Amino acid sequence: AQSVTQPDIHITVSEGASLELRCNYSYGATPYLFWYVQSPGQGLQLLLKYFSGDTLVQGIKGFEAEFKRSQSSFNLRKPSVHWSDAAEYFCAVDMNTGRRALTFGSGTRLQVQP
Amino acid sequence: EADIYQTPRYLVIGTGKKITLECSQTMGHDKMYWYQQDPGMELHLIHYSYGVNSTEKGDLSSESTVSRIRTEHFPLTLESARPSHTSQYLCASGDNSLSTEAFFGQGTRLTVV
Repeated sequence: AQSVTQPDIHITVSEGASLELRCNYSYGATPYLFWYVQSPGQGLQLLLKYFSGDTLVQGIKGFEAEFKRSQSSFNLRKPSVHWSDAAEYFCAVDMNTGRRALTFGSGTRLQVQP
Repeated sequence: EADIYQTPRYLVIGTGKKITLECSQTMGHDKMYWYQQDPGMELHLIHYSYGVNSTEKGDLSSESTVSRIRTEHFPLTLESARPSHTSQYLCASGDNSLSTEAFFGQGTRLTVV
């Protein structure tokens, strides 16, 4: 079955440290790929997206993600984390099937230590 | 900035009541979605629509129903609320391009007591 996996349920990093959140998908072709962030009690905000072309994409708030076809991965990175980055992060894919809707991973909760 | 609105933000209601969660968007998007999210969990698609008079069920079986009489409006209705319906409900919309980028509302947190 097609799926999206975020293996890290919870990550804690120190402010100023680098961050990498993992995302893997299971699908035969290359899907459209997204990262969203959700603050407590809020909806989801799009951080970045990949459709085609350059495999390193830049997003808002200093985030970037790299698509690696050989690993079926789309990991999110940030070189220096700020306390305001504490939130839940969701990887999502559109599998390019007839139904055009996003499938979400289970999320990674990021905690930032001062 | 996306303009998609959900009301109410919070709702506590008794078992057996009928409720409608409202979702409106001002972007003229054809595609609209409802996702259900339990605390700390992933989002599950429960309904989607490609345009007026188009509605489809999503991946997660839901006792809710939806309608799409106007492009901007995609309400979700529960005829008889139960405690198992307690969850957060997120509405989203997307334009009709190849992109499935979705813009989300702030959600409705429903508690059925």
